[in-house]
Amino acid sequence: GENVEQHPSTLSVQEGDSAVIKCTYSDSASNYFPWYKQELGKRPQLIIDIRSNVGEKKDQRIAVTLNKTAKHFSLHITETQPEDSAVYFCAASNAWSNFGNEKLTFGTGTRLTIIP
Amino acid sequence: NAGVMQNPRHLVRRRGQEARLRCSPMKGHSHVYWYRQLPEEGLKFMVYLQKENIIDESGMPKERFSAEFPKEGPSILRIQQVVRGDSAAYFCASSPTDRDSNQPQHFGDGTRLSIL
Repeated sequence: GENVEQHPSTLSVQEGDSAVIKCTYSDSASNYFPWYKQELGKRPQLIIDIRSNVGEKKDQRIAVTLNKTAKHFSLHITETQPEDSAVYFCAASNAWSNFGNEKLTFGTGTRLTIIP
Repeated sequence: NAGVMQNPRHLVRRRGQEARLRCSPMKGHSHVYWYRQLPEEGLKFMVYLQKENIIDESGMPKERFSAEFPKEGPSILRIQQVVRGDSAAYFCASSPTDRDSNQPQHFGDGTRLSIL
């Protein structure tokens, strides 16, 4: 089955600087890679996703890059703000697999702290 | 359009009791996924259901855990004879019937299960 590794487990960044979180996956059949942000006691919220036919996607201060050959993808947050502090999870799935099973395999999470 | 609804938000049970967690998917969604999140850990896939069918239960513990998604009503995750190790947050996510809709999974607020 799929295995997703995520680094670093904790990250502290000065407000205004950039933050980068990296993930690797093992299953070459995976073709969908979402990123979720989870605040304490809250639900995981999708912040950006990328499909394997695209190498990069950007949404305002957030961007995701995907290297299919190396099987890794990264989340980039620029101009960080205190409200970016949260735990971030990467995930991978094989969308459009048999029976439409798009179960997500999650990384172990990165606790991002923005220092004012 | 209401999001994924889970109840209860918090559930306290004593060892040996039964726990029932409910999930109503987003309107128009007929695919339901259950995930478990242990404290300070990532989300782990448990089971994937469509209406009246269990499609993938590869993440379910072999004993005491069961899930259903009836034709009418919410999806139910049932844990019999709970033990302390069952204490966790249980999240439900749903996705559309149409596999080509390109819509990601959206999560409910979760049920936080505490075993005394």
